[in-house]
Amino acid sequence: DAKTTQPPSMDCAEGRAANLPCNHSTISGNEYVYWYRQIHSQGPQYIIHGLKNNETNEMASLIITEDRKSSTLILPHATLRDTAVYYCIVRVASSSGSARQLTFGSGTQLTVLP
Amino acid sequence: DVKVTQSSRYLVKRTGEKVFLECVQDMDHENMFWYRQDPGLGLRLIYFSYDVKMKEKGDIPEGYSVSREKKERFSLILESASTNQTSMYLCASSQGHSGNTIYFGEGSWLTVV
Repeated sequence: DAKTTQPPSMDCAEGRAANLPCNHSTISGNEYVYWYRQIHSQGPQYIIHGLKNNETNEMASLIITEDRKSSTLILPHATLRDTAVYYCIVRVASSSGSARQLTFGSGTQLTVLP
Repeated sequence: DVKVTQSSRYLVKRTGEKVFLECVQDMDHENMFWYRQDPGLGLRLIYFSYDVKMKEKGDIPEGYSVSREKKERFSLILESASTNQTSMYLCASSQGHSGNTIYFGEGSWLTVV
């Protein structure tokens, strides 16, 4: 799976949009971009994923650049409960058993400030 | 909503004890995973299974074994617990091929004394 690069930490004011960047310059054509977050002492929570089109769900929006070398997760109105570590992961779509796992990097610690 | 349930949230065990961590998913997922998470080391895959009675080693299988007798249940076994196995253990599941989303349980905090 392609390697990702994220800033180690970011702050965001409550009520403002949080924009979390991720670089994945070696991404392959069949690799998805996934975002998870982990609130302290809990399991990772799935947020959103995409292949090449922008995606939106009730939690967030995912913007993927046209060349797919980077993406941005947008939390439109951040709340204090969005404080967490956010992980950007690229993952190949394959029927191979060994490809079914998920490899986490170190992520971005987002702190939402009151 | 997908639910992955880990049987114990917090456990304290003694060195040398046999430890069972149980995980159940309710979405008929084919794939199930066990990770451990340690500060500074991130999530590391221990074992995974893509079918009943099937298992594959992950990155750090030493000291662990797994059992998948039923599709919905995946057990992690520490045959003889050691202090370096103190960690948070995360179970996860997904459907089909690797393009499908993986869902995690809440985690089990194991302390070995």
